[in-house]
Amino acid sequence: QVQLVESGGGVVQPGGSLRLSCEGSGFPFSDYGMHWVRQAPGKGLEWVAVISDDGNNKYYADSVKGRFTISRDNSKNTLYLQMDSLRVEDTALYYCAKGGEYFQHWGQGTLVTVSS
Amino acid sequence: SYELTQPPSVSVSPGQTARITCSADALSKEYAYWYQQKPGQAPVLLIYKDSERPSGIPERFSGSTSGTTVTLTISEVQVEDEADYYCQSADSSGKSMIFGGGTKLTVL
Repeated sequence: QVQLVESGGGVVQPGGSLRLSCEGSGFPFSDYGMHWVRQAPGKGLEWVAVISDDGNNKYYADSVKGRFTISRDNSKNTLYLQMDSLRVEDTALYYCAKGGEYFQHWGQGTLVTVSS
Repeated sequence: SYELTQPPSVSVSPGQTARITCSADALSKEYAYWYQQKPGQAPVLLIYKDSERPSGIPERFSGSTSGTTVTLTISEVQVEDEADYYCQSADSSGKSMIFGGGTKLTVL
């Protein structure tokens, strides 16, 4: 069955950087677009970024544009999110999700806390 | 971009029917999707392309659309259906995904 396992979360100071990873299994990873979606504590879902199946097309939410970079390594079935210039408001549970215009499957998330 | 508007909360008794709406002008042209999120768990896809149900989702969950409003209907509500429900769509270019603010379903 489809599995998505995120890792790389942690505590970081404002202005710092962090790289999240998401390893997929149980499906042909290179055939699907992949997303990052986040959820701040006690809040709703917020889409962050999407990357096409071949990695050539990438789009971002305005709130992270210029600070976050989505990428993938299809040889390793792994999705990444490089997060730079982190802000307190980036504190959230970050999910990776499989799909194009919607999210067919979700991982369990990795927690990012930005705090001084 | 645009906003998807959902009621913050809906309450229903077990065995009754719950209806959760999601509104935006764009929904007359774009598909809507629905997710269920139980406390401490990741979201689960319930409905795609307005009214299609993924395998494994009970028939009690259904989706419909009318103009600029889409509706998630949960028939014969069970206590285990208590959760947050989110609608989602995409902008016309497919470069941006949008979530509604979420609706907390309480089963009294």
